[in-house]
Amino acid sequence: EAQVTQNPRYLITVTGKKLTVTCSQNMNHEYMSWYRQDPGLGLRQIYYSMNVEVTDKGDVPEGYKVSRKEKRNFPLILESPSPNQTSLYFCASSSGGEGTDTQYFGPGTRLTVL
Amino acid sequence: AQSVSQHNHHVILSEAASLELGCNYSYGGTVNLFWYVQYPGQHLQLLLKYFSGDPLVKGIKGFEAEFIKSKFSFNLRKPSVQWSDTAEYFCAVNHGPYYSNASKIIFGSGTRLSIQP
Repeated sequence: EAQVTQNPRYLITVTGKKLTVTCSQNMNHEYMSWYRQDPGLGLRQIYYSMNVEVTDKGDVPEGYKVSRKEKRNFPLILESPSPNQTSLYFCASSSGGEGTDTQYFGPGTRLTVL
Repeated sequence: AQSVSQHNHHVILSEAASLELGCNYSYGGTVNLFWYVQYPGQHLQLLLKYFSGDPLVKGIKGFEAEFIKSKFSFNLRKPSVQWSDTAEYFCAVNHGPYYSNASKIIFGSGTRLSIQP
């Protein structure tokens, strides 16, 4: 089954404790993105990757890191989480650019930073 | 810069009512337009998209949207809603080159649709 998976689905952590949210897709897509969803703000892109070893900032990259060492995986790293990073996070993938192709979204990771 | 407006933040309808959700974008050039839906507790999925051709686009589950270039609009419609249509709906538009892998996407803030049985 074609899908995007994320882990963990729920995470409660404390300020400053490094964490990683994993994202994996099995569709051989070149393009992957991370978004955060906040009430009233819709989805805002954090980082995106057009291919292996090619990543770039989205609209709200501060406080986040990513890596793309393999085509299927695109982990999101919070080196020192803060309460304002409490949000719902989605990973997405597409075969082409996000503005020219359908994106397939993961189930989301709800992060709470205390 | 491109922007997307969804003016209705929360719409409440009864079953069998007709639905129209507004979406307006700001950039006047060639655009690719999307509607994504997020059912409660689920991930976003594509409802429909418009790249070119017939401006009336049909999507899944009886939804359709009309691209009106002169009004910079891409409103979502459904003639008769069901309780299962309760969800959040996001309009999105590309910005940057519409034909390129570098094309980015901007999401609207979303419209929460609640259908009362």
